[in-house]
Amino acid sequence: EIVLTQSPGTLSMSPGERTALSCRASQTINTSFLAWYQKKPGQAPRLLIYGASIRATGIPDRFSGSGSGTDFTLTISRLEPEDFAVYYCQEYGNSPFAFGGGTKVEIK
Amino acid sequence: QVQLQESGPGLVKPSQTLSLTCTVSGDSISRGDYYWSWIRQPPGKGLEWIGYIHYRGNTYYRPSLKSRVTISVDTSKNQFSLKLSSVNAADTAVYYCARTQLVEPFDIWGQGTMVTVSS
Repeated sequence: EIVLTQSPGTLSMSPGERTALSCRASQTINTSFLAWYQKKPGQAPRLLIYGASIRATGIPDRFSGSGSGTDFTLTISRLEPEDFAVYYCQEYGNSPFAFGGGTKVEIK
Repeated sequence: QVQLQESGPGLVKPSQTLSLTCTVSGDSISRGDYYWSWIRQPPGKGLEWIGYIHYRGNTYYRPSLKSRVTISVDTSKNQFSLKLSSVNAADTAVYYCARTQLVEPFDIWGQGTMVTVSS
């Protein structure tokens, strides 16, 4: 079973700043099967990135994904007020599907 | 567009069985090669995938929950359901239903329903 570790647990950022979130896997992941979701309180998760680097429909280009093997990154180039949320990575190539523990991006 | 909606009791007593239903609207649950999942998020914690079902009935459950979980599908009602037996406080969570295809991410989620396990 794959374990995904996200770091840091919390990022305190200001609007307009650039930030990078890390997701590390306990074993090599096929790049095609790594996704990132945004989660806000009271809302369902929203798919941002799949295939490690492909933006989902309607996702702004300030969100980008990169990485391979065991190390993956979600970068937000310029934080907008609506981007303050919790972000989860997920591996979907093997059952049981694994989620990371999440990184909270909060307003400094 | 396809929408998912969870329903069921918000309060379950310890040792009893949690039962939730997810109603699919906007398309037939039997169309395409989709797998229908349950995912939960305990308060203050991350997301945990519970299991999935295909409309033909094949299932896969998280090994740590397998002994207590049953996911079933009712194609006539366009619904799938979750039963989790012998619940305890650790099963308190927001429960989501979601859609995926194999080797694809979860593209559609329900809004989630909070279930509290308490006497």
